[in-house]
Amino acid sequence: AQKVTQAQTEISVVEKEDVTLDCVYETRDTTYYLFWYKQPPSGELVFLIRRNSFDEQNEISGRYSWNFQKSTSSFNFTITASQVVDSAVYFCALSPYNQGGKLIFGQGTELSVKP
Amino acid sequence: GAVVSQHPSRVICKSGTSVKIECRSLDFQATTMFWYRQFPKQSLMLMATSNEGSKATYEQGVEKDKFLINHASLTLSTLTVTSAHPEDSSFYICSARAGGHSSYEQYFGPGTRLTVT
Repeated sequence: AQKVTQAQTEISVVEKEDVTLDCVYETRDTTYYLFWYKQPPSGELVFLIRRNSFDEQNEISGRYSWNFQKSTSSFNFTITASQVVDSAVYFCALSPYNQGGKLIFGQGTELSVKP
Repeated sequence: GAVVSQHPSRVICKSGTSVKIECRSLDFQATTMFWYRQFPKQSLMLMATSNEGSKATYEQGVEKDKFLINHASLTLSTLTVTSAHPEDSSFYICSARAGGHSSYEQYFGPGTRLTVT
């Protein structure tokens, strides 16, 4: 079975706090891609990052960082020094290589950053 | 960057009528387009995958006679919700992928909010 689990339904933090959004995936494929998307209240999905299964290097982009651990099938996302504009729903997604590019989304984590 | 548009952005229709939603790739040719549905406070669920010039592949549980998908050109796919009912009210999002099997970039449209009264 292929599945993405985001156990945290809602997270609320105060501005400037660091916050980590968890993502655990299941797949039997050895080749796959992992994604994170941000969905603000407007509804439009914003692409944040893509990782392939052979690249376990962690990545940092400004205040965002991602920790990919194949041993635990996790692809966690950390926002450092959160800001009110980070408030949104964040989705983790899995794309198996041999399935035509379809995305399997997690349930999403709603992040609320309060001033 | 690649841009995908959807039209309309919002539509209200009466129960029993049909609604067509367009998804266009504006600056690239999309060999594959995907249609997702998102209910309030829920995740995106893939409805179907369409490849230009061929029949769409529907996910399990999605009624192909109710959700008609046409991918007539490399820049346009349409989703028609036939005989819409209130339970079809949802946020419909398309995405488009360029290139062949090795291409993994997928670009999302802004979504269409359908309300059936």
